[in-house]
Amino acid sequence: QKEVEQDPGPLSVPEGAIVSLNCTYSNSAFQYFMWYRQYSRKGPELLMYTYSSGNKEDGRFTAQVDKSSKYISLFIRDSQPSDSATYLCAMISTDSWGKFQFGAGTQVVVTP
Amino acid sequence: GAVVSQHPSWVICKSGTSVKIECRSLDFQATTMFWYRQFPKQSLMLMATSNEGSKATYEQGVEKDKFLINHASLTLSTLTVTSAHPEDSSFYICSARDPDTSNYGYTFGSGTRLTVV
Repeated sequence: QKEVEQDPGPLSVPEGAIVSLNCTYSNSAFQYFMWYRQYSRKGPELLMYTYSSGNKEDGRFTAQVDKSSKYISLFIRDSQPSDSATYLCAMISTDSWGKFQFGAGTQVVVTP
Repeated sequence: GAVVSQHPSWVICKSGTSVKIECRSLDFQATTMFWYRQFPKQSLMLMATSNEGSKATYEQGVEKDKFLINHASLTLSTLTVTSAHPEDSSFYICSARDPDTSNYGYTFGSGTRLTVV
């Protein structure tokens, strides 16, 4: 079983819709949770990060963490075609700084 | 913000040859850098942790004699794929953290697409 599970998609939504992404994990030692966006043939870029359970909002993006359920989510409001990319969740435990565990990534396609 | 430069972005080489990939932290010093590999439609998998001035730490299943890592300075780490084979074709990405930022502030390079023919 993978430590981090993420549906690879693709997830196709019309422009303006809400994109809902999620990951589940098995290692309760994970404490920092990140969402990265990766365009084709490019390195990942950090979108959001959260520590411990709760919600965090940044513009059109909202990240949620439920540590009791080992479940994290990313919501993108008012989606734009430029949001079309692969979104990867990642997490780290404090005893393994830098050693991200990534989800497989969900490909998102926002159609005009 | 912190910038990690990776070069080359794309390389094609013949089977049996060696390829060197560079990862530079442009505006900060990185005592530790990380090398990942990503196959199409798959997640990034950590290959090794590169430590300045000491030997790299390899993840289980990664051949250290095949993937040579050198971290000779605080701003440069190199990954050399030796005697490359077609199955080594992949997307290689490095990352590093600016120590003046938060613990989750890791920056990734733009990646190197290696094709072995």
